[in-house]
Amino acid sequence: AQSVTQLDSQVPVFEEAPVELRCNYSSSVSVYLFWYVQYPNQGLQLLLKYLSGSTLVKGINGFEAEFNKSQTSFHLRKPSVHISDTAEYFCAVTRMNRDDKIIFGKGTRLHILP
Amino acid sequence: EAGVAQSPRYKIIEKRQSVAFWCNPISGHATLYWYQQILGQGPKLLIQFQNNGVVDDSQLPKDRFSAERLKGVDSTLKIQPAKLEDSAVYLCASSLEETQYFGPGTRLLVL
Repeated sequence: AQSVTQLDSQVPVFEEAPVELRCNYSSSVSVYLFWYVQYPNQGLQLLLKYLSGSTLVKGINGFEAEFNKSQTSFHLRKPSVHISDTAEYFCAVTRMNRDDKIIFGKGTRLHILP
Repeated sequence: EAGVAQSPRYKIIEKRQSVAFWCNPISGHATLYWYQQILGQGPKLLIQFQNNGVVDDSQLPKDRFSAERLKGVDSTLKIQPAKLEDSAVYLCASSLEETQYFGPGTRLLVL
């Protein structure tokens, strides 16, 4: 079975500073990886996904993530955060099989400090 | 392209009452999912439909929760009777291939 661990439940960071949100996964088979963002009182929005190919994936709003198979990680990064990035971020994994269920991490709350 | 629609957005009920949520997926998406998201946690899959058939309902509390997708398009999730611990956001998602697209959710408060 697959599992996802988000190592930090909350990450405070100053506006315009860089940020990294950590995600590690566990799986005995090949996987697809996702990062979703959830703004207050809203549903989840896809930030980016890794399916295959280049290990550096670029997403919306200036975010990117790097797939590291040897370390089973998929950390999310942004070089300069904005106050509007305040949200909950979820890492997720699914087996490399269409329509298989997604397993979500517990989420990391990103606090942007002025 | 219209996204996943859900209604109502908010619902407050008393314990032991019943409640129903509605979801209309993105047009053409064969797979539909219902998730429960308790405050401070990630979404937990309750049930997955492929067209109008159930693929996975292993985490659905079947003594009180039910869901249907009769025509393979929109879906309803029902709780009867509700318990205090059912207070959560209920998210609907749909997918065509590997990526799931989520609706805004229904926030349920059970008093």
